[in-house]
Amino acid sequence: DAGVIQSPRHEVTEMGQEVTLRCKPISGHNSLFWYRQTMMRGLELLIYFNNNVPIDDSGMPEDRFSAKMPNASFSTLKIQPSEPRDSAVYFCASSFRIEGLPKNIQYFGAGTRLSVL
Amino acid sequence: KQEVTQIPAALSVPEGENLVLNCSFTDSAIYNLQWFRQDPGKGLTSLLLIQSSQREQTSGRLNASLDKSSGRSTLYIAASQPGDSATYLCAVSGGYSTLTFGKGTMLLVSP
Repeated sequence: DAGVIQSPRHEVTEMGQEVTLRCKPISGHNSLFWYRQTMMRGLELLIYFNNNVPIDDSGMPEDRFSAKMPNASFSTLKIQPSEPRDSAVYFCASSFRIEGLPKNIQYFGAGTRLSVL
Repeated sequence: KQEVTQIPAALSVPEGENLVLNCSFTDSAIYNLQWFRQDPGKGLTSLLLIQSSQREQTSGRLNASLDKSSGRSTLYIAASQPGDSATYLCAVSGGYSTLTFGKGTMLLVSP
């Protein structure tokens, strides 16, 4: 398997523009996570899906952020409008969650480095 | 709210040294603890996962311990090599899926 695939790897945009980040999880995985990493705050969970359904979006910073998972093999994280403080590395991760079992190794993509000017 | 702290923030050692990275967490009600490695410009790679009922896990030159009652974990790296240079992240799971990460320890092993 190619692992978790994220695109684009780098994105530079201007303040106010819409940004869409994409993620393809590992085939067969049923949980997907979006994280944001900054120097100040480290890695923070934004949202996670189980079986394509959003379970916890309490980490989404504000209404400008939205995430979708239309099917088991694709997810998007959208920022509209983007602001300079959104500049960070955004990671997608996937895992196979077995109900009743706590063990859940998450596999991370290489990330998208977003710069909002 | 769970908080995870890693000490030191950065560490530089000569090749061959044994070293210990520390991780502490505020809420001992965890399901498991994981250690990850992150190389510059890359994603995270899971190194070791310790279930809350376990005390330690070993993989090659790596040994991770967990003391849930005191909210602490250590990652021991034996006979360090330049290829071990990376950022090491500790993360705890308070539920079946969500992880709370520390900010990491940046390790540099010089030849």
